[in-house]
Amino acid sequence: QQPVQSPQAVILREGEDAVINCSSSKALYSVHWYRQKHGEAPVFLMILLKGGEQKGHEKISASFNEKKQQSSLYLTASQLSYSGTYFCGTLTLEYGNKLVFGAGTILRVKS
Amino acid sequence: DAGITQSPRYKITETGRQVTLMCHQTWSHSYMFWYRQDLGHGLRLIYYSAAADITDKGEVPDGYVVSRSKTENFPLTLESATRSQTSVYFCASSDSEIRAFFGQGTRLTVV
Repeated sequence: QQPVQSPQAVILREGEDAVINCSSSKALYSVHWYRQKHGEAPVFLMILLKGGEQKGHEKISASFNEKKQQSSLYLTASQLSYSGTYFCGTLTLEYGNKLVFGAGTILRVKS
Repeated sequence: DAGITQSPRYKITETGRQVTLMCHQTWSHSYMFWYRQDLGHGLRLIYYSAAADITDKGEVPDGYVVSRSKTENFPLTLESATRSQTSVYFCASSDSEIRAFFGQGTRLTVV
């Protein structure tokens, strides 16, 4: 049931861009993105609802392709503060409010 | 203060003992979740609750019990702790859009 995230890890230099992907084998109602800093709790970034909308949050944006059950998180001109583990969570049409997360993508931004 | 709190933050227990992890939220959110976080597995859903007295199994419910007699509390009990239950446990609550807010986590070690 867990969505699949890729890549597992990525290392960037400041100013570079990154894309994190999330896919599910189930029909999705929504996709949720979170970031977790080391030793801290995950923090909500954004939700994308069924409808294929794209959302943005400063230089971090995401898209949702409901036909393919996929979402992508775009980090533009990365900053040191973007470092952390990114998780996608999904709500499926089948399981309703059961929020299930992927294994995470470790992002490290170097100066 | 409004928020979600977990207790204890750290716990060491022996194999076979019963352990209860507490979770309390002050937002009156309907939804609450318990996750465990292990390296390589991301956040795995143990149990979730849509409202008081309504709970349902997640991905890895075996060996755990939950209850929700009041909206604000969602305790997680390990009936007979095993070493494989050594993990970091996160509780979360969410609004109707399932924007989850996480507690600071409980690091549990079973020896």
